[in-house]
Amino acid sequence: DAGVIQSPRHEVTEMGQEVTLRCKPISGHDYLFWYRQTMMRGLELLIYFNNNVPIDDSGMPEDRFSAKMPNASFSTLKIQPSEPRDSAVYFCASSLGAPSDEQYFGPGTRLTVT
Amino acid sequence: LAKTTQPISMDSYEGQEVNITCSHNNIATNDYITWYQQFPSQGPRFIIQGYKTKVTNEVASLFIPADRKSSTLSLPRVSLSDTAVYYCLVGDRGTDKLIFGTGTRLQVFP
Repeated sequence: DAGVIQSPRHEVTEMGQEVTLRCKPISGHDYLFWYRQTMMRGLELLIYFNNNVPIDDSGMPEDRFSAKMPNASFSTLKIQPSEPRDSAVYFCASSLGAPSDEQYFGPGTRLTVT
Repeated sequence: LAKTTQPISMDSYEGQEVNITCSHNNIATNDYITWYQQFPSQGPRFIIQGYKTKVTNEVASLFIPADRKSSTLSLPRVSLSDTAVYYCLVGDRGTDKLIFGTGTRLQVFP
């Protein structure tokens, strides 16, 4: 398996624009997680899905952020409108079973909002 | 929201044993403690996981006291390639949420 795949790897956009980050989890994994990493706040869990259903989205910073998982092999994290403070590395991860199981992380998307 | 704290950084030399402690006073009763390693420009990678007492695998050991309010990751005989940031991950009892620790940057010198 190729592991968790994220695209794009880098994204530079202007404030106010819509940004869509994509993730393909490892086949057969039931859980998918979206994280954000910054120097100031470290690694933060934004939302996670179980069998394509959002379970906990309390980490989503505000209404500008939304995440979907239309099927078991694809998820998106959308920011609309984007702001400079959204600049961070966004990671997607998947796990086979419970959230506390070993998570496999993707390479991340580095987002820069100018 | 309870914090999960770790030392910001540690230095070591090749061949030495390194112990990194994570404090998680409000850990959820049924949750495991998991440690991850992260290299620059990569996502975190699983190292080891445990619930209580001691767990050992081919790369590390994890020591967890009876009260489970802390845990110690032990890396035997570190090498230059162990230079990375190490995170603990636990579930918070109050909120039932997964929380990553603040991370410990380990620098190994020759």
